[in-house]
Amino acid sequence: DAGVTQSPTHLIKTRGQQVTLRCSPKSGHDTVSWYQQALGQGPQFIFQYYEEEERQRGNFPDRFSGHQFPNYSSELNVNALLLGDSALYLCASSPGLAGVKAYEQYFGPGTRLTVT
Amino acid sequence: AQKVTQAQTEISVVEKEDVTLDCVYETRDTTYYLFWYKQPPSGELVFLIRRNSFDEQNEISGRYSWNFQKSTSSFNFTITASQVVDSAVYFCALSEAVGSAGTASKLTFGTGTRLQVTL
Repeated sequence: DAGVTQSPTHLIKTRGQQVTLRCSPKSGHDTVSWYQQALGQGPQFIFQYYEEEERQRGNFPDRFSGHQFPNYSSELNVNALLLGDSALYLCASSPGLAGVKAYEQYFGPGTRLTVT
Repeated sequence: AQKVTQAQTEISVVEKEDVTLDCVYETRDTTYYLFWYKQPPSGELVFLIRRNSFDEQNEISGRYSWNFQKSTSSFNFTITASQVVDSAVYFCALSEAVGSAGTASKLTFGTGTRLQVTL
């Protein structure tokens, strides 16, 4: 049973560029959430996708956008990169409308983005 | 707004010592979930435990135990007889019961406690 997978593992970009990160949820999960974890900090919620729509959003600017595909995988796009966007980006999947199991969120290994 | 405070930035212990990681939370919700995650150097967050706001029973799982006290808004985590493999950053997190769409609600994390266990 494959867990949450993310690609790429590491990425180096220059200020002003755009980046796309990818996430495949755990088998049986249909909801994907994205988190940003700056060095030495706890993860911060970016947004969540379910049924190919953004359902919840944290306090992040519009430069951060996403997409969910029919197979439940998801992309996180960041435009006009800033130095402050350097962080570990974590994807979490959960079973969606599954009653009490909706709270279960399983995290992937993350993508470490460095902006120079 | 929800908030999680982990006042201990870093803790160092010698193997076999017991160690307690503190977590204090703030929320206006009457129904909520509390979590602990472990983050080893690899970066992946590993789920350890979930507790809902109506269940104040303490829980023990092997060398791990959790003490939930609603009266003090605390959810502390104790590792008994620590081992080198326990070295990691531990995060406490809080969420509403479910999100507005009925899906998992966003997690609000503390800043983490780095635990270093040495021989």
